[in-house]
Amino acid sequence: DAGVTQSPTHLIKTRGQQVTLRCSPKSGHDTVSWYQQALGQGPQFIFQYYEEEERQRGNFPDRFSGHQFPNYSSELNVNALLLGDSALYLCASSLGGGYTFGSGTRLTVV
Amino acid sequence: QQQVKQSPQSLIVQKGGISIINCAYENTAFDYFPWYQQFPGKGPALLIAIRPDVSEKKEGRFTISFNKSAKQFSLHIMDSQPGDSATYFCAANPGNSGGSNYKLTFGKGTLLTVNP
Repeated sequence: DAGVTQSPTHLIKTRGQQVTLRCSPKSGHDTVSWYQQALGQGPQFIFQYYEEEERQRGNFPDRFSGHQFPNYSSELNVNALLLGDSALYLCASSLGGGYTFGSGTRLTVV
Repeated sequence: QQQVKQSPQSLIVQKGGISIINCAYENTAFDYFPWYQQFPGKGPALLIAIRPDVSEKKEGRFTISFNKSAKQFSLHIMDSQPGDSATYFCAANPGNSGGSNYKLTFGKGTLLTVNP
């Protein structure tokens, strides 16, 4: 049974560019959350999607947006990239219980 | 505002020793307190979790101690092994059903090194 799958694993982008990260939840899970983990820090909540709607959002600017598809997979989009957006982006899926995290996408903005 | 404060930032323990990591929280609405283990290049993995209606929970070598009045909880790793070397995060959320409907608020993490 595959867990949470994220792609790509690593990505390098230039300031001002846009990026899309993808997440396939664990089989049977219907809720997807995204977290940003800066180096040496704990994960910070970005937003959560359920039934293709953003259910709650953390303290992140509108440059961060997302989408959930009918098959529960999800995308995280970040526009106008800043150097400070460099981080590990984690996707977590759940179904009424605890979260299962993916291994993340390492985004480097240069 | 950091709602979950974790200490120490790093910890070195000898094989067979006890590792202790502490966390304190501010939000009294928190109702679920998990600990996550993260290895380099991997996402956090749930280790053990507790709700505030109990003061202690044990699973194998891992124990959570919870002090509701002090708003503190800690992770104890007994008989620490080199394979336990990882970063440990405490977290909290207000979800009384296990948390998936609510965001997790994480501590900053503790890098544990267990020397052979």
